Amino acid sequence: EDQVTQSPEALRLQEGESSSLNCSYTVSGLRGLFWYRQDPGKGPEFLFTLYSAGEEKEKERLKATLTKKESFLHITAPKPEDSATYLCAVHVSGAGSYQLTFGKGTKLSVIP
Amino acid sequence: DSGVTQTPKHLITATGQRVTLRCSPRSGDLSVYWYQQSLDQGLQFLIQYYNGEERAKGNILERFSAQQFPDLHSELNLSSLELGDSALYFCASSVAVSTGELFFGEGSRLTVL
Repeated sequence: EDQVTQSPEALRLQEGESSSLNCSYTVSGLRGLFWYRQDPGKGPEFLFTLYSAGEEKEKERLKATLTKKESFLHITAPKPEDSATYLCAVHVSGAGSYQLTFGKGTKLSVIP
Repeated sequence: DSGVTQTPKHLITATGQRVTLRCSPRSGDLSVYWYQQSLDQGLQFLIQYYNGEERAKGNILERFSAQQFPDLHSELNLSSLELGDSALYFCASSVAVSTGELFFGEGSRLTVL
């Protein structure tokens, strides 16, 4: 069974304190790995798509990287507005369309 | 604002009842997805429609059904409701049938008492 595991479940950072969130996956035939951000009471918001090991994507203070077994979301000098739950999801081959399997997320709190 | 509209935002009902959740996708998006989010299970894929046709099915219960209408809006019908069906139900849309870049609505929170 395809699995996506995110760690840690929760992370508290001081403003400006850089860190990384982890998403490990055990799937056969990865076709894409996706990062989303979810604010309380809102739907997930798309951040990044990664397709192959070694690929990196950046957006403001966020950088996503991908290896053959895991992905990292690096947060550089975070601000309080970066507080949210970060979800990763995978799409595997064999699915006729984009059925994403999501991890349970990492809840990030950035303290001023 | 993602452009995806879901109604109602909140719904409280009793066990055994039936409810309908409605979703209007972003303008121009042909693909609609339904996801269920609960505290213990996370975000679970239920079903996908593309231009009116069912394209993929996830862990959707037989008590649940969905459809996409010619104007591309979609409805998720939940029947014989149980306490465990209490969750957030999200609709998402995308332009293409095969993309992981989904635009989610704000969800419908269902509480079954």
